[in-house]
Amino acid sequence: GDSVTQMEGPVTLSEEAFLTINCTYTATGYPSLFWYVQYPGEGLQLLLKATKADDKGSNKGFEATYRKETTSFHLEKGSVQVSDSAVYFCALSLPPGNTGKLIFGQGTTLQVKP
Amino acid sequence: DADVTQTPRNRITKTGKRIMLECSQTKGHDRMYWYRQDPGLGLRLIYYSFDVKDINKGEISDGYSVSRQAQAKFSLSLESAIPNQTALYFCATSDRGTDSNQPQHFGDGTRLSIL
Repeated sequence: GDSVTQMEGPVTLSEEAFLTINCTYTATGYPSLFWYVQYPGEGLQLLLKATKADDKGSNKGFEATYRKETTSFHLEKGSVQVSDSAVYFCALSLPPGNTGKLIFGQGTTLQVKP
Repeated sequence: DADVTQTPRNRITKTGKRIMLECSQTKGHDRMYWYRQDPGLGLRLIYYSFDVKDINKGEISDGYSVSRQAQAKFSLSLESAIPNQTALYFCATSDRGTDSNQPQHFGDGTRLSIL
């Protein structure tokens, strides 16, 4: 079935380090891909998205490129800050139609230390 | 005020009790969703609704029911709570729109503990 797999956490980095969180997916058809972020005590917020192969989503210094050949959508940031500490979820949305249903990965906790 | 409001934020109850979690939104979105979050499992879809008369089961609907009282209100019920329903529950909304992949907007969650 359709699924999303993320690297296990927690990921612990020092401030200004480079971040990569791996995400791979299995899906029939051509999904759209998303990264959501969950700060402590809050709900999920959309961080970025990409809707077709080779698209790059970007927001707040984070980037992810939709790689159809490797079925991946890895999240990257060049220089993390303490305020980036959160749980990050990769998700996919399946065509056809406009259903809006999301399938989430298990989440990756990021801890950034000063 | 939050666009998607969940009540209560926290609830502790006993096995066998009936529980209702409520969600209201001011975004004017047609679509509403209920998820549960468990450690290491991400979010899993319980029920979703595309409008007041259109309600659908998600991947883990057993033991749950929902009611869409109005466009802005979508409640989740546990008719007879059991301990493995202890989780963090999220309500979300999305617009139908012209973009086939509208983002979802989440409430802050309800932490439910069943003893």
